[in-house]
Amino acid sequence: LAKTTQPISMDSYEGQEVNITCSHNNIATNDYITWYQQFPSQGPRFIIQGYKTKVTNEVASLFIPADRKSSTLSLPRVSLSDTAVYYCLVGDEGSGTYKYIFGTGTRLKVLA
Amino acid sequence: IAGITQAPTSQILAAGRRMTLRCTQDMRHNAMYWYRQDLGLGLRLIHYSNTAGTTGKGEVPDGYSVSRANTDDFPLTLASAVPSQTSVYFCASSGWTGGRYGYTFGSGTRLTVV
Repeated sequence: LAKTTQPISMDSYEGQEVNITCSHNNIATNDYITWYQQFPSQGPRFIIQGYKTKVTNEVASLFIPADRKSSTLSLPRVSLSDTAVYYCLVGDEGSGTYKYIFGTGTRLKVLA
Repeated sequence: IAGITQAPTSQILAAGRRMTLRCTQDMRHNAMYWYRQDLGLGLRLIHYSNTAGTTGKGEVPDGYSVSRANTDDFPLTLASAVPSQTSVYFCASSGWTGGRYGYTFGSGTRLTVV
């Protein structure tokens, strides 16, 4: 299983762009990179997923360099409601045998 | 709405008692999981099931058992609860949903063992 490393916590102000980087040095060829968001007292929810280069959806962008040993989740113009824990996960989701190890995630606090 | 249903939402349990947390999904996902999350910490995998009829141990399986008699249901049993099992328990499944492959989580069961 690919181990991931991400900062434990980050602070930002409303309206700023937030970038959270995750390291996954032993990512395998078939592994995808997926980011989840968790609010207090709720289960994590999917934000974005990618394999290489850049992926963008209505919520965030995901930047993945050519070597795929890291990835960066970018949240544009954060608001107070983006305060949450963000998890980076790596795995071959389509294999049917993968089990996620979530780790501690990055606790993002958005300040007014 | 398709998703994961967990029951109960919360429970206070006396130590030594047996308890089963229920989890049902309606997405026909093959894989299902149980995680626990202690206050302020990340999620830790307890048990998983890749498909009906099979189960496996995660990071912290001791004191817990699971079964997977069919695709939709994945109950978690605490045979004899201890205070260290006080936690929030999340059930999840993985599969294709809304055009992407990933996890779907339930709302959690908050368990307090006293």
